[in-house]
Amino acid sequence: AQKITQTQPGMFVQEKEAVTLDCTYDTSDQSYGLFWYKQPSSGEMIFLIYQGSYDEQNATEGRYSLNFQKARKSANLVISASQLGDSAMYFCAMRDVMDTGRRALTFGSGTRLQVQP
Amino acid sequence: DSGVTQTPKHLITATGQRVTLRCSPRSGDLSVYWYQQSLDQGLQFLIQYYNGEERAKGNILERFSAQQFPDLHSELNLSSLELGDSALYFCASSVAGELAKNIQYFGAGTRLSVL
Repeated sequence: AQKITQTQPGMFVQEKEAVTLDCTYDTSDQSYGLFWYKQPSSGEMIFLIYQGSYDEQNATEGRYSLNFQKARKSANLVISASQLGDSAMYFCAMRDVMDTGRRALTFGSGTRLQVQP
Repeated sequence: DSGVTQTPKHLITATGQRVTLRCSPRSGDLSVYWYQQSLDQGLQFLIQYYNGEERAKGNILERFSAQQFPDLHSELNLSSLELGDSALYFCASSVAGELAKNIQYFGAGTRLSVL
């Protein structure tokens, strides 16, 4: 079974600084996808970034980048130049890739990020 | 705005009752997923549909059922509700395809309170 571990329940960062949110995963699959989602206090889940297990380059989306280290089974999210609006809960997730067509996401427990002015 | 629409946003009901949560996926998305987010269990996958057919089941209780209709909207039915069913229920949708990234875009959720 797949497992996602986020060991940082809460993180603080100063505005305009960079922050890294940790995520490690466990899977026996060769092909898988890794995702990061943001959940503001309003509750919605916002997709941030995706990394495929066969992607050779680390994914980037604007101020978000994913530090993918396959051998270590880690997929850390890096947010550069933090903004007050980045304060939210962040979830790392992994997608099943099964022959049955199952594409469920397995989520970690999340990291609450607070950006301080 | 993700393009996934969930109604209602909030639902307050009593134990033993039955409710229906509705989801309209993004235009063109054939796959619909339901997730439950609760304080004690975190985010859990409930069920997945693809083009009207059930594709995968997760930790979905027997009191819960879902379906996807020909117009691709989906409904999650929760019956014999218990206090522990209080949670935020998300619907997500994605483009189908074996090689697609299958990024799931989430609706804003339905917050269910069982009193």
